[in-house]
Amino acid sequence: DTGVSQDPRHKITKRGQNVTFRCDPISEHNRLYWYRQTLGQGPEFLTYFQNEAQLEKSRLLSDRFSAERPKGSFSTLEIQRTEQGDSAMYLCASSPRDRGNTGELFFGEGSRLTVL
Amino acid sequence: QKEVEQNSGPLSVPEGAIASLNCTYSDRGSQSFFWYRQYSGKSPELIMFIYSNGDKEDGRFTAQLNKASQYVSLLIRDSQPSDSATYLCAVNLNKLVFGAGTILRVKS
Repeated sequence: DTGVSQDPRHKITKRGQNVTFRCDPISEHNRLYWYRQTLGQGPEFLTYFQNEAQLEKSRLLSDRFSAERPKGSFSTLEIQRTEQGDSAMYLCASSPRDRGNTGELFFGEGSRLTVL
Repeated sequence: QKEVEQNSGPLSVPEGAIASLNCTYSDRGSQSFFWYRQYSGKSPELIMFIYSNGDKEDGRFTAQLNKASQYVSLLIRDSQPSDSATYLCAVNLNKLVFGAGTILRVKS
């Protein structure tokens, strides 16, 4: 069990650029979640997948954000035309289907985005 | 009104004391509740969950749930400096909704 891995761990970009983050969940975990966390706040839900299906997306998420999970394995989160307010830690978490409703999420170490 | 509310702290307790962390939630339909611990610079990790009214004990940790009052708490007995972290309360609303967390500092 290698855990949830995220890449890159750190990304510094200029405002207006596009960035993409990748998440590899624990193998055989059906559910995959993306959260965003800023200093002093708890993780904020962005979206989640069950296998390759995106089941829910936060209504707070602008159209600049898109996520995919092709083939139900790894996932990518893309942010287009980044803004300074996008600076945050982007956390990926996975959960096995039989515990999908128990709230036992396994988090990766996160991808920290800094928009200059 | 936020879905999950916590006092941000910091809550400071001496080593060996009981730390009491509290959380309230707004959705009366919530069925399951979770406490995650997050060390500085690290990701959250699950420490306890509770579904039923009353107490649930696991080692030095006790989770308490009162659905009528929409209140969840976490007690940490014999607090250790290694317990110093941010404690996040979360409610399952088809996905986990987290509070802002309470910073706990255990002083030796």
